[in-house]
Amino acid sequence: SQQGEEDPQALSIQEGENATMNCSYKTSINNLQWYRQNSGRGLVHLILIRSNEREKHSGRLRVTLDTSKKSSSLLITASRAADTASYFCATAIQGAQKLVFGQGTRLTINP
Amino acid sequence: DTGVSQNPRHKITKRGQNVTFRCDPISEHNRLYWYRQTLGQGPEFLTYFQNEAQLEKSRLLSDRFSAERPKGSFSTLEIQRTEQGDSAMYLCASSSYRGYEQYFGPGTRLTVT
Repeated sequence: SQQGEEDPQALSIQEGENATMNCSYKTSINNLQWYRQNSGRGLVHLILIRSNEREKHSGRLRVTLDTSKKSSSLLITASRAADTASYFCATAIQGAQKLVFGQGTRLTINP
Repeated sequence: DTGVSQNPRHKITKRGQNVTFRCDPISEHNRLYWYRQTLGQGPEFLTYFQNEAQLEKSRLLSDRFSAERPKGSFSTLEIQRTEQGDSAMYLCASSSYRGYEQYFGPGTRLTVT
C-alpha cells in the first residue's frame, strides 16, 4: 500500500514558471526522497532530505520537510520543457531499507 | 559506472506461463531491491537483498513469485503461472551500504495476455 499522498496529481505550467508539488506521509521516517520518472522509464533520484533537516537545495530544486505535519514539498524553479515527467516522493521508514512511494505528480511544462 | 541494467526490457507472455527477469546492479552496490509499478501508480516494494541474503519480502510477493541473488551479484525475479494481474513494470534498484539513495534500472514491462 502507498505510504502517502501527493498533491496535485497533475500540474501543467508554462516554461519558466515555478512548480510546487506536495507530499504527505503517515509514519515516522528516517529520510524522504524525491524521484523523477520520464514516461515508461526508470526512476531517477533527485534529492534526499533527512528527518532532522528542514530544507535542502540542489540546483533548481528546493525541498522542505515538516515532520510535525508529516509533509514535504518539492519546488522546481525556472521550469524547462525537459522537466516534464512524473515526480514521486518516497519515504524510508526507521529501521527499514525499502522505500515507500506516493502516487506521484504528473508535471507538464508547456513551451 | 554503467548503471543498473534489466533484461528483458519487454516481455509478453500468455497466462499460465512462467517468466524470469534479470537485474544487474551497479557493481559496488551490495543492496538490491525489486519493485512493481502499475499504470498511474508509484512503485510498490516487492523484496530486498543485502549481498546474497533476502532480508525482506512484501506480502505482495505471493508464492508464485521468487527472487534470488546468487553470489550477491545479479538477481533474478521469477513469476510462475502468470496471471493478467501480474501485468506491470518490474523495477530493480540498487544502493550501497553508505547511502540511502536507490539507483533504478529502466524496468521490465510485463504484459500477460
